[in-house]
Amino acid sequence: QKEVEQNSGPLSVPEGAIASLNCTYSDRVSQSFFWYRQYSGKSPELIMSIYSNGDKEDGRFTAQLNKASQYVSLLIRDSQPSDSATYLCAVSSGTGSYQLTFGKGTKLSVIP
Amino acid sequence: DAGITQSPRHKVTETGTPVTLRCHQTENHRYMYWYRQDPGHGLRLIHYSYGVKDTDKGEVSDGYSVSRSKTEDFLLTLESATSSQTSVYFCATQMGQGLNQPQHFGDGTRLSIL
Repeated sequence: QKEVEQNSGPLSVPEGAIASLNCTYSDRVSQSFFWYRQYSGKSPELIMSIYSNGDKEDGRFTAQLNKASQYVSLLIRDSQPSDSATYLCAVSSGTGSYQLTFGKGTKLSVIP
Repeated sequence: DAGITQSPRHKVTETGTPVTLRCHQTENHRYMYWYRQDPGHGLRLIHYSYGVKDTDKGEVSDGYSVSRSKTEDFLLTLESATSSQTSVYFCATQMGQGLNQPQHFGDGTRLSIL
């Protein structure tokens, strides 16, 4: 059973701070990793993808991947109240696989 | 995003009635998925399709069936709805397989079964 684990939160950070969201996965052959943002009552929205070890930056977002530790994280710099949402980690296993396994999500609250 | 339209957006129905949800995409993506999302459970895969007339079961397929007669449409049917199937249903599409192939989601259908 492939598992993706996230701290459910809520994670509260003050406006302007760095929010750090973490995700661990069980399948060692996992190759692609995605972060989705989901506002309350809305659908998941892709914000970052990563498949190589190291960091990948896109604006205020940085995804970090460590395959040896089976760990992927999302950093949000200069957090804004509009970043308040649930963040879902999703993992795809192997080049022949097309399915994603989703974590249950971490709820982030950015306090003005 | 990826031109995905789900219909209806909201539906209230009674136990024992059949229900069909439709997902329509305009991006010619090969893969399509149906999920349900419930508090405490996250997104759970119901059924998926890897091509026209090619479908398979997901994690929570009991009580659901699907059909895909053309690339752009993926239908989810509850043959005899039960209260446990009250949920938010999301359709997702994916262009291909391999590295860096994300899924893109429709706006969801909120289904209430009384």
